[in-house]
Amino acid sequence: RKEVEQDPGPFNVPEGATVAFNCTYSNSASQSFFWYRQDCRKEPKLLMSVYSSGNEDGRFTAQLNRASQYISLLIRDSKLSDSATYLCVALNTGNQFYFGTGTSLTVIP
Amino acid sequence: NAGVTQTPKFRILKIGQSMTLQCTQDMNHNYMYWYRQDPGMGLKLIYYSVGAGITDKGEVPNGYNVSRSTTEDFPLRLELAAPSQTSVYFCASSYQTDQPQHFGDGTRLSIL
Repeated sequence: RKEVEQDPGPFNVPEGATVAFNCTYSNSASQSFFWYRQDCRKEPKLLMSVYSSGNEDGRFTAQLNRASQYISLLIRDSKLSDSATYLCVALNTGNQFYFGTGTSLTVIP
Repeated sequence: NAGVTQTPKFRILKIGQSMTLQCTQDMNHNYMYWYRQDPGMGLKLIYYSVGAGITDKGEVPNGYNVSRSTTEDFPLRLELAAPSQTSVYFCASSYQTDQPQHFGDGTRLSIL
């Protein structure tokens, strides 16, 4: 079983739509979680960390559910510039980060 | 601010050749990482280092070697290039293990 699994995607949504991505992790001892954004042929860039209490950064909201071992990312009022691949990341107890395969989002005018 | 710098950006190797992918960071981060990313796949950890003089294997270390003689530098060595090592390689660093990682621009490596 993969350490981190994400929605397969791709997601194609109109501008202004709300879209949600889910991600599950297999290691219950995973300590920290992040969402990264990766544009085509570019390096991953941190979008936001994910905290147990949930956190919000503008149009982006991240949630962590330890009991069910999943994290989510909600994007409200989608912009064309949100088009990218979103990577879910979990840090396990061995100091190793595990990346999901990514979910592709295309925001359509 | 330079951040994490990788060289070269592109390289084509013949099977059996060797090369070193360079990575340097100027943020005084203790933790450094090497990943590979194959098309349509997530990043897989090759090796990581928690500080100068210390390196550990990640998920896919076979065919690679690393060293960490200084805090700033973390080179990745391919001794006998194989077609299966065609990939995009990313170097990353972080201040602490549970902190977000900063990535370099990547090295696109093709082995023919």
